[in-house]
Amino acid sequence: GEDVEQSLFLSVREGDSSVINCTYTDSSSTYLYWYKQEPGAGLQLLTYIFSNMDMKQDQRLTVLLNKKDKHLSLRIADTQTGDSAIYFCAERNRDDKIIFGKGTRLHILP
Amino acid sequence: DADVTQTPRNRITKTGKRIMLECSQTKGHDRMYWYRQDPGLGLRLIYYSFDVKDINKGEISDGYSVSRQAQAKFSLSLESAIPNQTALYFCATSGALGGEQYFGPGTRLTVT
Repeated sequence: GEDVEQSLFLSVREGDSSVINCTYTDSSSTYLYWYKQEPGAGLQLLTYIFSNMDMKQDQRLTVLLNKKDKHLSLRIADTQTGDSAIYFCAERNRDDKIIFGKGTRLHILP
Repeated sequence: DADVTQTPRNRITKTGKRIMLECSQTKGHDRMYWYRQDPGLGLRLIYYSFDVKDINKGEISDGYSVSRQAQAKFSLSLESAIPNQTALYFCATSGALGGEQYFGPGTRLTVT
């Protein structure tokens, strides 16, 4: 079946870059997403990438997609305390369902 | 005003009670979804609907039912609530062309 995997925890020093990785199994995914969830809040769509792209940049965020390896990453440049949250990777499959990973909790060290 | 709203935001109910969670959206999207979030398990899809006449089961639909009353409204019902349905429930919408999905603020449900 379809699966989206990501590590559960990442710790980064303030000012450094954070890289959150994700792998997925469905090669027919159409879109891949990154969501951010702050404590006590809902999910906020950060960015998404269409499956025929390999990179998308938006201010401090860079998404890289390696379709051959089914690997997606989110890089946050100059990580700040406000970036502390859970980040979810998700894919939209050929049946138009969106499958989420379990989330990566990003912890910022001073 | 928020594009996707959920009511109630918090609810405590007893085992065996029927409860309905409501979702409304002003984005004009055709597609609506219900998810539940449990610690360490991420989001799991309960039901989804691609238009008013279309309802589909997700991966964990047992114990739940839904109703798509209008394009803008999608409600989730627990016919007889049980404690393991205690979770955070999210409604979401997406446009027919894909590429964007928007979430409501969530409903925290506790079944005692």
